Order: sequence, then structure tokens, then C-alpha cells
Amino acid sequence: GAVVSQHPSRVICKSGTSVKIECRSLDFQATTMFWYRQFPKQSLMLMATSNEGSKATYEQGVEKDKFLINHASLTLSTLTVTSAHPEDSSFYICSARDLLRDRDYYEQYFGPGTRLTVT
Amino acid sequence: GNSVTQMEGPVTLSEEAFLTINCTYTATGYPSLFWYVQYPGEGLQLLLKATKADDKGSNKGFEATYRKETTSFHLEKGSVQVSDSAVYFCALSDVGSWGKLQFGAGTQVVVTP
Repeated sequence: GAVVSQHPSRVICKSGTSVKIECRSLDFQATTMFWYRQFPKQSLMLMATSNEGSKATYEQGVEKDKFLINHASLTLSTLTVTSAHPEDSSFYICSARDLLRDRDYYEQYFGPGTRLTVT
Repeated sequence: GNSVTQMEGPVTLSEEAFLTINCTYTATGYPSLFWYVQYPGEGLQLLLKATKADDKGSNKGFEATYRKETTSFHLEKGSVQVSDSAVYFCALSDVGSWGKLQFGAGTQVVVTP
């Protein structure tokens, strides 16, 4: 149980275009989802927290107009990188919390990640 | 603010050696503490957790004890295998933060036959 999928696993896009990454909780309801960015050989940087049905909360320094996050249902969150540039190339990882299961502590279930390359 | 500091890698060990990865934290409240593992080409997986002081988390031969007095959560394994080669992340989640995780920098562990 507690499986999180991401699609696509890899994407290459041209500079100036937009790309959407999907994050799905397959066997539980995810009231809260998180989006991270991971640079090569570095730690995960939290970009934003999204709660179902409300606007995402972005971390300081993350451009909310560039990284659009939508959490329209309890099983799906999307991250859209708008007007992508080569510096947006990175590994994007989502995670989700199962509020019903983990009420007393804050375990997150991670997706496998999406490798974005902007040319 | 909260922070997590863990030892830099890479850590290279021979099979059956003892592994320890140090992790210390700063937090304003009483956080939950986690170790996540990232195997090559895969996503993060929870390895073990502890939610209060003196709790010991354990899984797959790995152990870590939540030490409030030293604000530490060191990861240990008595006898590593080649399959333990991965990047290990220490993380904390503070109460009331919607479960946001603060990660350490990660420690790469390489186990050789």
C-alpha cells in the first residue's frame, strides 16, 4: 500500500515551452502533497505544499507563477513548469501524506521522480 | 528555523563492515525524525522513523535512536551488504508543519564486495 506514481518519468522539452508533471496516490487519499526538486548529488529542496482543494503554499524563493501546482482531487496533483529554461532542468519529486493512516506522525510516501531536461 | 546536518559522503565500506551515519538536528519543537534511503535510479523510501525521545526506529538491520539530549538520530547497521549501497537522508518533520520534511544533505554509501 501507499504507492505514489509520477508521470512522465523523463521529459525533454524545448526552452520556452511548458511541461506538466502528474503525481498520483494510487491506493490512498492524499490530502496533502509536496513537490521537491533535487539537484545532482544534492538533497531535496521543498518547493511547495499543496492541500486538496486549496492553493499551494510555496517555499521562499520559489516562483509560483513559474511552477504552477494544482491539487484538484484527493489522488492527483500536477506541477506545471511554465516557459521552461535550461536552469529548470532537474529531478522533480512529489510525495503525499495519507492523513487517515498517519494522523499522529508525518510520514510521506514518495513518487519515483521525473527527470526534466530543457534544451 | 529547523535544520538537519548529516555527515558528508561518500562513505565506502567493505561488505560486513559496521556502518554509522551521523545526523544532528535543530528544531523549535518536538519533531518526528526519519531516515530515508534512495537506491540508484529509484525514489526515496522510508527506512525507519522515531516520533519521540528515546524511541528506537529499526528496519532491515538498520537502527537509529532519537536522542533529545544530544539532538541526534544516528543511523547504524552492524553488517552491511552490497545491496545497502544507496544515498541515505536524515529528515525531520515538526509538529504543525503539515508534515513538511526538512532533509539533510544526504550521505552516499558505497559497499564493496
